[in-house]
Amino acid sequence: NAGVTQTPKFRVLKTGQSMTLLCAQDMNHEYMYWYRQDPGMGLRLIHYSVGEGTTAKGEVPDGYNVSRLKKQNFLLGLESAAPSQTSVYFCASSILDRQTDTQYFGPGTRLTVL
Amino acid sequence: GDSVTQMEGPVTLSEEAFLTINCTYTATGYPSLFWYVQYPGEGLQLLLKATKADDKGSNKGFEATYRKETTSFHLEKGSVQVSDSAVYFCALRSNSGGSNYKLTFGKGTLLTVNP
Repeated sequence: NAGVTQTPKFRVLKTGQSMTLLCAQDMNHEYMYWYRQDPGMGLRLIHYSVGEGTTAKGEVPDGYNVSRLKKQNFLLGLESAAPSQTSVYFCASSILDRQTDTQYFGPGTRLTVL
Repeated sequence: GDSVTQMEGPVTLSEEAFLTINCTYTATGYPSLFWYVQYPGEGLQLLLKATKADDKGSNKGFEATYRKETTSFHLEKGSVQVSDSAVYFCALRSNSGGSNYKLTFGKGTLLTVNP
């Protein structure tokens, strides 16, 4: 199993450009999450999904959109990138089970917006 | 709302020293508590967890005890190694209401262990 994979690993954008980050998991997990990690801020939840075809806002959703068309994939879109979106983005997934609530993280995408 | 406060870093120790990283939380009900570790250039991975009061989570020589009376989940290790150098995150998952699958993270503590 590859676990949780993210593409791309690095990206540099100019202000106003758009891009999509892809997250894929092969563990048949119901729940998927997008976080951003900024220095001194820990991880903050952007959006999450509790199943195929569903998405919901997290703590810092502004400027991002997401889609979960297939259970194994969770896409994060930036329609018009801003320098404030320079960050490291992590995707995670977990199963629908209160007894086993570990989130599994991908390796991250480092995004710089100039 | 839920929140996690962990000690400010960075923490620098010599090999074989004793480690404590403090973590306290605010949450309604009885949350599950976690420590995640992030090695350089990698994503987060679960280090240990505890799901009810007085539970002790342990892994790789690290331990943390869920203390409801002090709302704490301090991470300890008796003898650190250079390979323990990483960022450590305390986190909680609320077990009340409709948000019982989301994690709330602390800001992270950078640990550097010197030989």
